[in-house]
Amino acid sequence: DAGITQSPRHKVTETGTPVTLRCHQTENHRYMYWYRQDPGHGLRLIHYSYGVKDTDKGEVSDGYSVSRSKTEDFLLTLESATSSQTSVYFCAISQPGEPTSGNTIYFGEGSWLTVV
Amino acid sequence: DQQVKQNSPSLSVQEGRISILNCDYTNSMFDYFLWYKKYPAEGPTFLISISSIKDKNEDGRFTVFLNKSAKHLSLHIVPSQPGDSAVYFCAASEGSGTYKYIFGTGTRLKVLA
Repeated sequence: DAGITQSPRHKVTETGTPVTLRCHQTENHRYMYWYRQDPGHGLRLIHYSYGVKDTDKGEVSDGYSVSRSKTEDFLLTLESATSSQTSVYFCAISQPGEPTSGNTIYFGEGSWLTVV
Repeated sequence: DQQVKQNSPSLSVQEGRISILNCDYTNSMFDYFLWYKKYPAEGPTFLISISSIKDKNEDGRFTVFLNKSAKHLSLHIVPSQPGDSAVYFCAASEGSGTYKYIFGTGTRLKVLA
């Protein structure tokens, strides 16, 4: 298994409160991602990082911010949580591969967030 | 607009038979494709991948076929086993060095004993 640790694994929070999810990797992979999984939508990319302090938006970035101050850590912050952000959040990592071989992306175990 | 589509939300197959999961994509720039399996309360796990320079890749019971002209890929599982019951996601990226992986909505496979 890829060395990816997500914390917390489960959290219940109130609407309007800030929430930070942490992803820690021990693989020294360059790329890190945050996805959310919702019924009928599959896995949707929130934000990703291609290096320390280098981040960019994904498909569903509104209401989320990220930071990556070290190679091994990627934080996802919900500045003011809303009920629509109740979801399962997955961190993932990948490393540049050889041309034509592509990259394989590896996922963490997930963080279940409920906003009430 | 969904760039990667899995049009079958669910599929049931008898144990020992073949399972075929399908995936369509719209972006002609995609040139690397992956399949993942997901059990409840776990993260997705990598199954098999294929580059656009190939049209088939095998790994044990799993084979992925790519039809670039149709922008279609499929995952074949032979023979299907009850432990294969899970949600399967296909994903696509624009090849090595690309950051973004776009996933489909998933197909829930149930293998009946």
